[in-house]
Parts: sequence; C-alpha cells; structure tokens
Amino acid sequence: EVQLVQSGGGLVKPGGSLRLSCAASGYTFNTYSMNWFRQAPGKGLEWVSSISSSSSSISYSDSVKGRFTTSRDNAKNSLYLQMNSLRREDTAVYYCTRVIQWLTANDFWGQGALVTVSS
Amino acid sequence: DIVMTQSPLSLPVTPGESASISCRSNQSLLHSNGFNYLDWYLQKPGQSPQLLIYLGSKRASGVPDRFSGSGSGIDFTLKISRVEAEDVGIYYCMQALQIPATFGGGTKVDIK
Repeated sequence: EVQLVQSGGGLVKPGGSLRLSCAASGYTFNTYSMNWFRQAPGKGLEWVSSISSSSSSISYSDSVKGRFTTSRDNAKNSLYLQMNSLRREDTAVYYCTRVIQWLTANDFWGQGALVTVSS
Repeated sequence: DIVMTQSPLSLPVTPGESASISCRSNQSLLHSNGFNYLDWYLQKPGQSPQLLIYLGSKRASGVPDRFSGSGSGIDFTLKISRVEAEDVGIYYCMQALQIPATFGGGTKVDIK
C-alpha cells in the first residue's frame, strides 16, 4: 500500500525556518517525481515545488523561489521541503504528493502538515 | 501563468441525479502529444485532496465509473452521474501543462 507520511509542521516566527519531511513507502520511491502543494486556511490549492525522480530537475513557484528548497533522499525514501525566511502568507497546510508524470496525476497525497507563521 | 476558472462556485445536488462542473483555461491545455493536461481532484471535508481524473479524461485507479471527464483545449467538464452522499466536497481542476501548475477556485458540492 502506497503511503506518504508527513512530519515537521509547527509554529514559527516570521523570518524563521522549518523543514518538512515526507516519508514514502509501498512503492519504488526513486522512480517517481514528487510535488509539494499548499492550502492556506479556508483557501484553494497552490502548487509549491516539483522534483524529478533523480533530483536532476527541481522547480518552484515564484512565491517561494529563493526561500524554499526541495530535496529528496532516495536511499531513505524521503522528500524534504526546507523553508527559510518564512512569511505570514506562508501559513498553510502543506501536502506532499507522488506524481505520475511531472505535474500531472498526483495520485497519492500525504496527510498534510500545518505550518503557522506568526509572532 | 495559466488562469483556470471553474463554475459553478456551489452545486447542491440530489442523490441519484447527475451533476456537472465546468473548468475553463485561458490557454489551450492540448499538448502536441495529443493529451490535454487537465486533472480533477476532490477534497472531501477534513481530508487531503484525491485524484479523480487526469489527462482530461483518464479515470484514476479506484475511482468509480460514475465520474467522467471530457473536453479539449480550453473547455473541460467533470460529470458525476448518480451522485452519492460520499461525493460531497470541493472539486478542483488543475492544469498540468506548464509550470506553475494552477488550480481553479473550486466547486463546493453538497447534498440538497
């Protein structure tokens, strides 16, 4: 059974840092690209970042570029989102997903991790 | 960025009847490979989103056949035939043709 289990959310002050993790199981992790999405409270979904299976290609939304870093460790079946210089508008539930083809068909989603940026 | 527009915003449905949601993009989502890069997701209350349809009309694994996707280019439709109580939630379309992936604003489906 495919599972994506997220950890690392929490409360952080503006300007602070946080790292989210996404542990994958039940499939061959190193053959799938992965994505990060987020959802601000009461709002819709927003794409954050994509990373290819070998980490050779990584993309970011303009809203997080230069502040967030996506990485993966295929030996540990894990995906990471390092978030620096956090702003209040980064407050959201963050989801990791397995994707069939780059952006399209996010077929498995993590349970979500709430990140709250507040003083 | 590609702008995605969904309608209606809210859709009350009667169990057993059919329902349709429209999604329109401001650029064609038809790739040169012949596929439309349009996904549909359902977010049930309190849950993570789940994939329903990808590449415009391909049903994801485990999705009931009462869900169907159609359309090409800039106009797409998700149809739910024989709506069931478990289908309530917010439905989102998402273009996956180019970065950044972008979503429609969502359509809230609930039971009348």
